[in-house]
Amino acid sequence: KNQVEQSPQSLIILEGKNCTLQCNYTVSPFSNLRWYKQDTGRGPVSLTIMTFSENTKSNGRYTATLDADTKQSSLHITASQLSDSASYICVVTLYNTDKLIFGTGTRLQVFP
Amino acid sequence: EPEVTQTPSHQVTQMGQEVILRCVPISNHLYFYWYRQILGQKVEFLVSFYNNEISEKSEIFDDQFSVERPDGSNFTLKIRSTKLEDSAMYFCASSLTTPDTGELFFGEGSRLTVL
Repeated sequence: KNQVEQSPQSLIILEGKNCTLQCNYTVSPFSNLRWYKQDTGRGPVSLTIMTFSENTKSNGRYTATLDADTKQSSLHITASQLSDSASYICVVTLYNTDKLIFGTGTRLQVFP
Repeated sequence: EPEVTQTPSHQVTQMGQEVILRCVPISNHLYFYWYRQILGQKVEFLVSFYNNEISEKSEIFDDQFSVERPDGSNFTLKIRSTKLEDSAMYFCASSLTTPDTGELFFGEGSRLTVL
């Protein structure tokens, strides 16, 4: 079954610290893997998108990695800010379909 | 910056009523989607739409649901005879190319509450 699992479910860090969020997927074959940020009650906003041949992609303080062999991805956030408090969702596109398969997300809270 | 807009932001309806959720995708985009998110659960794919027809739909998207692009700008999701379990946040998205290669841009969502 095509699934996307994320860990941890929730994370609390202090402002200025770094953190890494994990994603494991069983979607196969897949076209690309994305990370989205979703504020409570808002729509998802894209952070990164990687094809199966890419290992890493950065967007400012966000760096995503992908290991297509082990079917794992991570999102590293550097020097966290209060505005980083949100859910971070790993999303995998099933190959040759329009369907994005969403993970359950990691709820990140950044405290001063 | 262009964005996907959705209306209404929140709708409350009685069970059995029909609901229409509206979306204005980004103007030069060609592919349109509806997703939903039940409170506390994952975002789920409902349907994709291209060239004035459904290109793909999930098992959730049964005869109760329909989509339409009535003019050059709006993209609507109609839910007939709403049920309690239809209560969710419904997200519209659009993209210039297919999800294989393209970025999907999501709207802020329409929260549907069925009583």
